[in-house]
Amino acid sequence: ETGVTQSPTHLIKTRGQQVTLRCSSQSGHNTVSWYQQALGQGPQFIFQYYREEENGRGNFPPRFSGLQFPNYSSELNVNALELDDSALYLCASSRGLWDEQFFGPGTRLTVL
Amino acid sequence: AQKVTQAQTEISVVEKEDVTLDCVYETRDTTYYLFWYKQPPSGELVFLIRRNSFDEQNEISGRYSWNFQKSTSSFNFTITASQVVDSAVYFCALSEVRNTDKLIFGTGTRLQVFP
Repeated sequence: ETGVTQSPTHLIKTRGQQVTLRCSSQSGHNTVSWYQQALGQGPQFIFQYYREEENGRGNFPPRFSGLQFPNYSSELNVNALELDDSALYLCASSRGLWDEQFFGPGTRLTVL
Repeated sequence: AQKVTQAQTEISVVEKEDVTLDCVYETRDTTYYLFWYKQPPSGELVFLIRRNSFDEQNEISGRYSWNFQKSTSSFNFTITASQVVDSAVYFCALSEVRNTDKLIFGTGTRLQVFP
């Protein structure tokens, strides 16, 4: 186990709703990255937080937003959910930039 | 543009066979990192290796070995004497130092090892 935890494990929402996913990073890690993995695909980078500041963003619309807290845990918020948002959402933490990223077990989001 | 290609969608082998998973990458950066991750059915990505672009030495870790060749932009992964527990989806990934610290993943290779 990596020490990275995510909650909840599974979530079912309907179109238009909002969702918050949570991630606790491994002890000593100050960087958290979020990825979306659609079925049968590789993970796609959403954004990264380094010491509470956003440090880069992938090709995702603004309704995907995030936060990193002083203890380096993080949240991913998605507004106005769409069917295509159904995916496994993975959080990864690292000691710093360009260090190995260690992944949590993911949150599987289903949008109906 | 940065890209990772894993041309093998699915590979099936019988236990104890050796198997090589291919990874070809594209980058304009001279400083980058390459990774392999394993994703078992549980879904969690398990880190296997990170290699920087200046280190072309092959690496061996138990039954796992990696062959990095900059001349062909490849970073292949070999499992020797495969076991049923090796069954998983394997992802190759690229991270460019001049870009955001993000992992660019290939589409993965599903490995099935039969007893």
